[in-house]
Amino acid sequence: AQSVTQLGSHVSVSEGALVLLRCNYSSSVPPYLFWYVQYPNQGLQLLLKYTSAATLVKGINGFEAEFKKSETSFHLTKPSAHMSDAAEYFCAVSPRAGTALIFGKGTTLSVSS
Amino acid sequence: KAGVTQTPRYLIKTRGQQVTLSCSPISGHRSVSWYQQTPGQGLQFLFEYFSETQRNKGNFPGRFSGRQFSNSRSEMNVSTLELGDSALYLCASSLEGTADYGYTFGSGTRLTVV
Repeated sequence: AQSVTQLGSHVSVSEGALVLLRCNYSSSVPPYLFWYVQYPNQGLQLLLKYTSAATLVKGINGFEAEFKKSETSFHLTKPSAHMSDAAEYFCAVSPRAGTALIFGKGTTLSVSS
Repeated sequence: KAGVTQTPRYLIKTRGQQVTLSCSPISGHRSVSWYQQTPGQGLQFLFEYFSETQRNKGNFPGRFSGRQFSNSRSEMNVSTLELGDSALYLCASSLEGTADYGYTFGSGTRLTVV
């Protein structure tokens, strides 16, 4: 079965520091991969998605993620954290077109000044 | 361009009652998916409707059902509510319901069962 593992349920960084949120997937075929962000009492907002084009994907708000097939990873990074980045982040996989998204458990990002 | 609209935003129901949630997708989108989000289980897929037909279904009991209308608006119904049904219910709108087109989520309906 397809699955997504997000390492670390909670990550804390200082403002201006590098943000690294980890995501590993299991899939027998190249998947579609997504990162979503959720602010309190809101729905999910798409940050970026990988659909087998470039392995380095740039998203909104300065985030980017690199697809590494050999490591089955799709880690999310941002060079410099901002207070407004504090939220919950979800990695998701869709094994093939037309199937539902499978989400990881989420990582809560805290940013301190 | 209007986003995905879910109504109501908040709902409180009593055990044993039934509830209907509504989702209006982005204009032109034909696919609506529903997800349940709880602290313990995270985000879990309920079902997907495409052009008024249920195309995919998750692993939820038959108390959870849905439908889609000709204008692509979708409703989700939960009968005989249990305390464990308390959750944030999210719907996702997609042009074709495929990952390459992506999914846009609504703000959700927060259901509390007492």
